[in-house]
Amino acid sequence: AQSVTQLDSHVSVSEGTPVLLRCNYSSSYSPSLFWYVQHPNKGLQLLLKYTSAATLVKGINGFEAEFKKSETSFHLTKPSAHMSDAAEYFCVVSRGGGADGLTFGKGTHLIIQP
Amino acid sequence: DGGITQSPKYLFRKEGQNVTLSCEQNLNHDAMYWYRQDPGQGLRLIYYSQIVNDFQKGDIAEGYSVSREKKESFPLTVTSAQKNPTAFYLCAIRQGDTQYFGPGTRLTVL
Repeated sequence: AQSVTQLDSHVSVSEGTPVLLRCNYSSSYSPSLFWYVQHPNKGLQLLLKYTSAATLVKGINGFEAEFKKSETSFHLTKPSAHMSDAAEYFCVVSRGGGADGLTFGKGTHLIIQP
Repeated sequence: DGGITQSPKYLFRKEGQNVTLSCEQNLNHDAMYWYRQDPGQGLRLIYYSQIVNDFQKGDIAEGYSVSREKKESFPLTVTSAQKNPTAFYLCAIRQGDTQYFGPGTRLTVL
């Protein structure tokens, strides 16, 4: 069985400072891991994905995430926050092993202070 | 993703009525999914279809039904048996191991 825990329901940072959104996962298989972003009343947009290639994954809009198997973590970072980064972020693990669908974390709401 | 459309964007229904949400894709992908999103929650899988004329229940299928008569269309019906249907509904397609989402439909039961 798979599970995803996003360790913070809300994160608040000042514009121009680093962003860290934390995610831990458990999976019975070698997982594929994803981060999605959702702006209010919109669908989810893929930020980046890890699929057992490089452990440091670069995504869109300056975001990146590092897969750490020993810590079962997949934290999302960005060096400098912009106001446009304010949104809900979801860490997601694929079910793998022949089962379909994705398992979602409950989301982290990122607030950017001017 | 511009190739996935959901309509309508907002939908209101009275208690006890069935309502159908549309999901269309022009990306020629076989696998399609329906998710439900509630405030402060991640997405939960309702139904999915990996090929035309076949579909499988997800984690919360009770009170919902689907059909997959055409590759490009995967409509979701929210029936009167669904106890708490007010939510944001998202449709997705799968390309490889990655899912791409439509813009969503917000359903409100009055």
